[in-house]
Amino acid sequence: GEDVEQSLFLSVREGDSSVINCTYTDSSSTYLYWYKQEPGAGLQLLTYIFSNMDMKQDQRLTVLLNKKDKHLSLRIADTQTGDSAIYFCAESITGGSYIPTFGRGTSLIVHP
Amino acid sequence: GAVVSQHPSRVICKSGTSVKIECRSLDFQATTMFWYRQFPKQSLMLMATSNEGSKATYEQGVEKDKFLINHASLTLSTLTVTSAHPEDSSFYICSARDLRPEAFFGQGTRLTVV
Repeated sequence: GEDVEQSLFLSVREGDSSVINCTYTDSSSTYLYWYKQEPGAGLQLLTYIFSNMDMKQDQRLTVLLNKKDKHLSLRIADTQTGDSAIYFCAESITGGSYIPTFGRGTSLIVHP
Repeated sequence: GAVVSQHPSRVICKSGTSVKIECRSLDFQATTMFWYRQFPKQSLMLMATSNEGSKATYEQGVEKDKFLINHASLTLSTLTVTSAHPEDSSFYICSARDLRPEAFFGQGTRLTVV
């Protein structure tokens, strides 16, 4: 079955880089997603990567995928206080209805 | 990105009454919509998946007679919590997708049953 795990908390100083890590278990062809949730709000899709890719960069965000270790990371460069939120890693299997399986979320706290 | 609108954002209802939550895809046709429930400091629990014009597929442990899902058009799905009780108080979130692999989320609905 699918299982997505991520650490629950990360605290960084404003201006530093944040790295949020995630591991998954399914070895099928898959899409892997990063979502951001601010308090009392829904989830905002930040980026996603297909499992045949190693890296994807979008402005301050860099996603790295180690398919051998089933490890996904999200790096946020020059972290700002507005980046404080919960970040969810999710996985979905191709060929189906793309139902994403979510991790428990990493709470990122950015302090001055 | 695509926009999914969910209403209401907050609702307070009396125990025993029913509440309807709407989820609309504003700029795309959603072939599939998902309904989640989120408990404080926890991940999202998938309740059901609905395809337009078909009956919803409920996850194990979710009562289909209590949580009625209707996906009558390609842009609208509704979740009705029937005979709500305080234990149904939670944050409910919908998401929608078309043929792309991304799912886009609504803003969520905070339901409080008193």
